[in-house]
Amino acid sequence: DQQVKQNSPSLSVQEGRISILNCDYTNSMFDYFLWYKKYPAEGPTFLISISSIKDKNEDGRFTVFLNKSAKHLSLHIVPSQPGDSAVYFCAASGIDYGQNFVFGPGTRLSVLP
Amino acid sequence: GAVVSQHPSWVICKSGTSVKIECRSLDFQATTMFWYRQFPKQSLMLMATSNEGSKATYEQGVEKDKFLINHASLTLSTLTVTSAHPEDSSFYICSVTQVTYNEQFFGPGTRLTVL
Repeated sequence: DQQVKQNSPSLSVQEGRISILNCDYTNSMFDYFLWYKKYPAEGPTFLISISSIKDKNEDGRFTVFLNKSAKHLSLHIVPSQPGDSAVYFCAASGIDYGQNFVFGPGTRLSVLP
Repeated sequence: GAVVSQHPSWVICKSGTSVKIECRSLDFQATTMFWYRQFPKQSLMLMATSNEGSKATYEQGVEKDKFLINHASLTLSTLTVTSAHPEDSSFYICSVTQVTYNEQFFGPGTRLTVL
């Protein structure tokens, strides 16, 4: 059973608009979450993280929101740019996982010019 | 963050041969390294966790005799795919971290194609 879910396999957004990528998790022991961005044939690159003691973290155009009661987090990209087109992975970790992360299946974002 | 390299970036081999993939942490003492594989249009799947100087811990379903992992130093880990078969064709990615870090730093990945 998937512990980290990204129910939208793909998302298309117009350039300049907001992209919202969603992630749900089932394990209440997760307390640290990250978003990674991945281009084809490249390794993932870190985007932004959030600890469970916060409900929002912002870094430039990227904002991550965490709703612990709903076990849901989302990544907002504003404004979206064509270079943001990639696969976005949500990852979660907790005490039981040491330094390992459980990855979601990813959402492919296409930003249309 | 850490700069992580992988070599080779792409390898094509015949079925039955063994392939070694190197993961190097260029400016970072990686006490822990992870190996992932990714099938097309699927998520990253953790294969094993290796701590410097000790045996790797493999995830359920990953054959330790087939995927040999060596983490001999704080800057180098190798993954050897022994007797590779076409179903081993995949994208293999390593990542590094330290005890105090909440983040993993990923290598660029190695595409393995087994004919």
